[in-house]
Amino acid sequence: AQKVTQAQTEISVVEKEDVTLDCVYETRDTTYYLFWYKQPPSGELVFLIRRNSFDEQNEISGRYSWNFQKSTSSFNFTITASQVVDSAVYFCALKNNNDMRFGAGTRLTVKP
Amino acid sequence: DSGVTQTPKHLITATGQRVTLRCSPRSGDLSVYWYQQSLDQGLQFLIQYYNGEERAKGNILERFSAQQFPDLHSELNLSSLELGDSALYFCASSVGARDYEKLFFGSGTQLSVL
Repeated sequence: AQKVTQAQTEISVVEKEDVTLDCVYETRDTTYYLFWYKQPPSGELVFLIRRNSFDEQNEISGRYSWNFQKSTSSFNFTITASQVVDSAVYFCALKNNNDMRFGAGTRLTVKP
Repeated sequence: DSGVTQTPKHLITATGQRVTLRCSPRSGDLSVYWYQQSLDQGLQFLIQYYNGEERAKGNILERFSAQQFPDLHSELNLSSLELGDSALYFCASSVGARDYEKLFFGSGTQLSVL
C-alpha cells in the first residue's frame, strides 16, 4: 500500500528564516511520482513540483528547493528566506497507477 | 487561476438530502479527479474519469456517484447525506491519465450538512 507521511503538523517561523518541510513515503513500486502542492488560505491547491522515482537530482527554483533521497524514501522541501506569503498548508503526494495519495499536510506560518 | 471551475462554492443542506457538485476542467484536459478534504481524513481521492470513462476509484462511498459528460465536465452526486459528509470537495483535471501528469485543482465546493 502507498502511504505519505508528513510528520510536522504545524511549523511557525519568523520571516527570513529557512524552513524545511519533511515528507516520507512508502511504496513497493519502483516507478512512481512525487509531488508538492501548496494550499494558501484561498483554498485552491497549487502545483509546485513533480519528481519521478528515477530522478534523484535535487531541484532549486528561486527560494524553493527539494531534496529527493530514495535511500530514505524522503522528498523534503526547503524554503529559504521565508516570507509571509509563504504561509500556507503544504502537501506532499505520491502517485502511481492513477492512485495519488496525499500526506496530511504541514501548516506553515511565517510571521513578520 | 488554475482554469478548473467548480460550482457552487458553498452548499448548505440537511441530512438525508442529495446534492450535485459540478466541475469544468481546464480547456483540453481529458481527466477529471474528485477529492474530499476534511479535518479528520485529510485529502482523500474519490474517483477519476478519463474522456468519459471511469479510470480509477478511491475511497468513494456507495452513496456517492460521479460521471463525466461528452463535453468533459463532471458532476459528483452525493445522496443520503450525513453530518460526516461535510467537507471541502475538490475537482482536479489533467491533460491525460498518465502518472506523471500534474493535477490542476479547482477552488473547491464547501459542503455543510446540518
